[in-house]
Amino acid sequence: AQKITQTQPGMFVQEKEAVTLDCTYDTSDQSYGLFWYKQPSSGEMIFLIYQGSYDEQNATEGRYSLNFQKARKSANLVISASQLGDSAMYFCAMRDRNNNDMRFGAGTRLTVKP
Amino acid sequence: KAGVTQTPRYLIKTRGQQVTLSCSPISGHRSVSWYQQTPGQGLQFLFEYFSETQRNKGNFPGRFSGRQFSNSRSEMNVSTLELGDSALYLCASSPDPGQGASNTEAFFGQGTRLTVV
Repeated sequence: AQKITQTQPGMFVQEKEAVTLDCTYDTSDQSYGLFWYKQPSSGEMIFLIYQGSYDEQNATEGRYSLNFQKARKSANLVISASQLGDSAMYFCAMRDRNNNDMRFGAGTRLTVKP
Repeated sequence: KAGVTQTPRYLIKTRGQQVTLSCSPISGHRSVSWYQQTPGQGLQFLFEYFSETQRNKGNFPGRFSGRQFSNSRSEMNVSTLELGDSALYLCASSPDPGQGASNTEAFFGQGTRLTVV
């Protein structure tokens, strides 16, 4: 069965600094996709970045990058140059071949300090 | 392109009542998934519909049900509401991921916040 683990319930970062949000996963499938979503207080889930299990390079999208370590089954999100608007809940998610649905970790609440 | 639309945005119901939530996916998307989000349990998968058929189901009691119409719009129903059903219910649509596809992102609506009193 799929399992996504986010061990940091809350994180603080100073504005303009970088922060890493941890995510580990467990799957028996060789083909899977890893996703990160941001959820501001409004509730809507906003897609940030995707990494495929066969992708050799780490995914990047603007200030977001994904530190993918396949052997360790980790997919950490790195946010560079944090902004006040980055304060939100962040969820790691996975979709694999066995389960078409997307499963989520417990989330990390990020607070950016001015 | 319009995003995923969920109605209503807010709902207050009494214990024992039933409720129906609606989700209109992005045009062309045939897969619709439902999630329940609570502070204690996080985001939990309810079920996924594709082409009017339930394709996947999470671990929820039979009081939670859903359906999908030919235009891909989906509804979920909760019968005999309990206080613990108070949650944010999120709907997500995807283009046809196909069985075995793992690279398709899900697009979420703003959710329906259900309060059971």
